[in-house]
Amino acid sequence: QLQLQESGPGLVKPSETLSLTCTVSGGSISSSSYYWGWIRQPPGRGLEWIGSIYYSGSTYYNPSLKSRVTISADTSKNQFSLRLSSVTAADTAVYYCARRIAAPPRSYFQHWGQGTLVTVSS
Amino acid sequence: DIQMTQSPSSLSTSVGDRVTVTCQASQDISNHLNWYQQKPGKAPKLLIYGASNLETGVPSRFSGSGSGTDYTFTITSLQPEDLATYYCQQYDNLPFTFGPGTKVAIK
Repeated sequence: QLQLQESGPGLVKPSETLSLTCTVSGGSISSSSYYWGWIRQPPGRGLEWIGSIYYSGSTYYNPSLKSRVTISADTSKNQFSLRLSSVTAADTAVYYCARRIAAPPRSYFQHWGQGTLVTVSS
Repeated sequence: DIQMTQSPSSLSTSVGDRVTVTCQASQDISNHLNWYQQKPGKAPKLLIYGASNLETGVPSRFSGSGSGTDYTFTITSLQPEDLATYYCQQYDNLPFTFGPGTKVAIK
């Protein structure tokens, strides 16, 4: 059974870089049928798609965050990662990693990690 | 970006009642719409994909319909375990965008 698990610091200082890793078990991130991505949710608010990476290495980012975001993958560890630079309090959120099925016309986030709260504060 | 709106933002109703949530996109999204359920403190869970297709294992009391810019999510007979926030999400264009959510409470 596919499982995704986020890991990383729960507290980041303003202006620094947020770094999170998603470890995937029960499936390979090298599969051509899926995209691997990040979605965040500020406390008490809605969901925001951050970006995705495909097995080929192609990346897709939300334009609202594109200048600060990098998503990368380590196939040897079956992990993918998020880096968000120059963070502010507005980046405080629960960060989810998720697997998206990409089989047109279908495209949906079918599997999610449990989420990890990242607080930006000095 | 495609903007998604949902109504109502919250509702409170009784077990056994029918619940209807609407989602409107700022442009035609050609049925490229998913619905998720998020219970308190949990990750979202996919319920409906492609506007009307029930995800495997999801109870049949959940359904979706619509076309163009207007979509509807229905719970035919509300159960206590349906206490959650429900989100629509479009995948017609990047960036993927979610509606603001509809919080369903049990009276």
